[in-house]
Amino acid sequence: GQNIDQPTEMTATEGAIVQINCTYQTSGFNGLFWYQQHAGEAPTFLSYNVLDGLEEKGRFSSFLSRSKGYSYLLLKELQMKDSASYLCAVHEDSNYQLIWGAGTKLIIKP
Amino acid sequence: DSGVTQTPKHLITATGQRVTLRCSPRSGDLSVYWYQQSLDQGLQFLIQYYNGEERAKGNILERFSAQQFPDLHSELNLSSLELGDSALYFCASTTSGGRNEQFFGPGTRLTVL
Repeated sequence: GQNIDQPTEMTATEGAIVQINCTYQTSGFNGLFWYQQHAGEAPTFLSYNVLDGLEEKGRFSSFLSRSKGYSYLLLKELQMKDSASYLCAVHEDSNYQLIWGAGTKLIIKP
Repeated sequence: DSGVTQTPKHLITATGQRVTLRCSPRSGDLSVYWYQQSLDQGLQFLIQYYNGEERAKGNILERFSAQQFPDLHSELNLSSLELGDSALYFCASTTSGGRNEQFFGPGTRLTVL
C-alpha cells in the first residue's frame, strides 16, 4: 500500500537548524515534493527531488535516498516566519495524483 | 500568486444546504485537483479532472460531486451539508509533462452552522 510518515510536530529555536524527515512506501516513484503551508493558507512549493542526493535552495535543502524510501528537508538560520506546516508528497509513476503525508508542524521559538 | 483562482474565499451556510465552489486553473494547465483540509489535518484528495474528464477519485463522499467545463474551470458541489464538512477546500492545477508539481489556489473556507 501507500504510506508516507512524517513527525507530527517539531520545535526549534530561531537561528538554529532543523531537519524534518519523511519516509515513504509507494508502489512506484516519480519524484518527491516538499511544500510549506502557513496556517489557513495554501501550500506552496519548496523543493523537488527525483534523483538521489541533496538539492540546495538558499536556506532550504532537500535530500532524497530512493533505496531507503527516505527524504529530509533541512532548514537553516531559522526565522520566525518559518513557523508553518511542512508537507511531504510523493508522485507515484502509476498515479496521476500526489500521495501526501499528514505534514509536520514546525514551531519556532525566539 | 500561484495563478490559480478560487471563489468564494469564505462561505457560511447551514446544515442540509448545498453550495458550489469554483476554481480556475493556471493558464495552460489541463488538470484540476480538489482537496479538503479540516482543522489541523492533512490534505485529503477528493477528485481530479483532466481536460474535462474525471481522471482519479479519492475519498470523495457521495454527497459531493465535481465537474470540469470546456473552458477548464472546475466546480465542486457539496450537498446535504453536515457540520463535519466545515473545512478549507483547495483546488490545485498541474504543469504539463511528468513532474506533476501542483499549484494551489487560495482556498475556500466553508463553515457549516
